[in-house]
Amino acid sequence: DGGITQSPKYLFRKEGQNVTLSCEQNLNHDAMYWYRQDPGQGLRLIYYSQIVNDFQKGDIAEGYSVSREKKESFPLTVTSAQKNPTAFYLCASSLDRGQGVETQYFGPGTRLLVL
Amino acid sequence: QQQVKQSPQSLIVQKGGISIINCAYENTAFDYFPWYQQFPGKGPALLIAIRPDVSEKKEGRFTISFNKSAKQFSLHIMDSQPGDSATYFCAASGNTPLVFGKGTRLSVIA
Repeated sequence: DGGITQSPKYLFRKEGQNVTLSCEQNLNHDAMYWYRQDPGQGLRLIYYSQIVNDFQKGDIAEGYSVSREKKESFPLTVTSAQKNPTAFYLCASSLDRGQGVETQYFGPGTRLLVL
Repeated sequence: QQQVKQSPQSLIVQKGGISIINCAYENTAFDYFPWYQQFPGKGPALLIAIRPDVSEKKEGRFTISFNKSAKQFSLHIMDSQPGDSATYFCAASGNTPLVFGKGTRLSVIA
């Protein structure tokens, strides 16, 4: 089965703790993205990567970090600097590198909750 | 310049009726306009998309209407069914990651 997997489905964070959300795709897509979804806010772009070992900040990158060491994987770390991390986090990927049509496919999401 | 404005925030439609969701954009460099459907607790799924070289695209009960001069596009769901109850997002892209509207929560009641 081709697709995007995110784990875990639910994640709990304690004060001052860094947590890492996993995103893996086997679609052979070049580009990968992380979005944050809050009620009534739509999807806001955190980081994106168009190629291995390169990534760019999105609209709300503060308090987050990413890496892209492999084409298939794009983990997101929510650092202790992110003061309001409770949200639904969505990973997506696309075949194009932003040179034209971008059909983005989404994973099932990870819900992050603060204890 | 990067905003996509979506309305209404919520919509209640009778079963069998037509659901209409509207979006407007400012950036004339946008050249790809998809609509996503999201059920609670799930990731968004691509529903239908259009490029500005056509004014309308239809797939089954779902139609996108596109007005390039007004910089507006809309989703029409014909014969709306309770199973269509979900949140719908419009988006736009032009050599950049997708920019999303804030979503419309559609409820189709019997």
